Amino acid sequence: KQEVTQIPAALSVPEGENLVLNCSFTDSAIYNLQWFRQDPGKGLTSLLLIQSSQREQTSGRLNASLDKSSGRSTLYIAASQPGDSATYLCAVRTNDYKLSFGAGTTVTVRA
Amino acid sequence: GAGVSQSPSNKVTEKGKDVELRCDPISGHTALYWYRQRLGQGLEFLIYFQGNSAPDKSGLPSDRFSAERTGESVSTLTIQRTQQEDSAVYLCASSPPGLVTYNEQFFGPGTRLTVL
Repeated sequence: KQEVTQIPAALSVPEGENLVLNCSFTDSAIYNLQWFRQDPGKGLTSLLLIQSSQREQTSGRLNASLDKSSGRSTLYIAASQPGDSATYLCAVRTNDYKLSFGAGTTVTVRA
Repeated sequence: GAGVSQSPSNKVTEKGKDVELRCDPISGHTALYWYRQRLGQGLEFLIYFQGNSAPDKSGLPSDRFSAERTGESVSTLTIQRTQQEDSAVYLCASSPPGLVTYNEQFFGPGTRLTVL
């Protein structure tokens, strides 16, 4: 059974600092990995999707890396802003149809 | 374009009542998924539809839970004889045609269910 762990559980940084969020998974036989953002009381917004053959994906200030062999992914958010405050979820797709989610990292960016 | 929509956004019910939760996927999306997020916990997979068929119902927690999809569009998740442990946010997602294991899932805003 795929287990997904996100560290840290919570993170508070001053505005302008770079954010580093970690995700690890136990089964390296994945099809892809997806990073999501969840705002309080809202659904999930997809940020980046990395296929298993890829090493990284970038979108604006966001960059996500994937090391499938070691079961790790890292999401980098450059020059954080208060609007980046949210919970960030990592999810992996294994040899079936469902996503296995981590518990998330709650980020607070202080103005 | 329009995203995934869910209704109602909030539902409060009494223990023992039945509830129906609705999901409207993005137009043209053939795959549809239901997940549950209980307070302080990660998302749990419930069921997956490809078209109107459900090849994977492995996540449904008990026989009180059922789901259907019609017209390769709207889906309804039904919970019979609700229990307090059913309280959660129920999220629906859809993905476009193609090899489903590679496709991105797009999520709706969720339905917050509270069972008193």
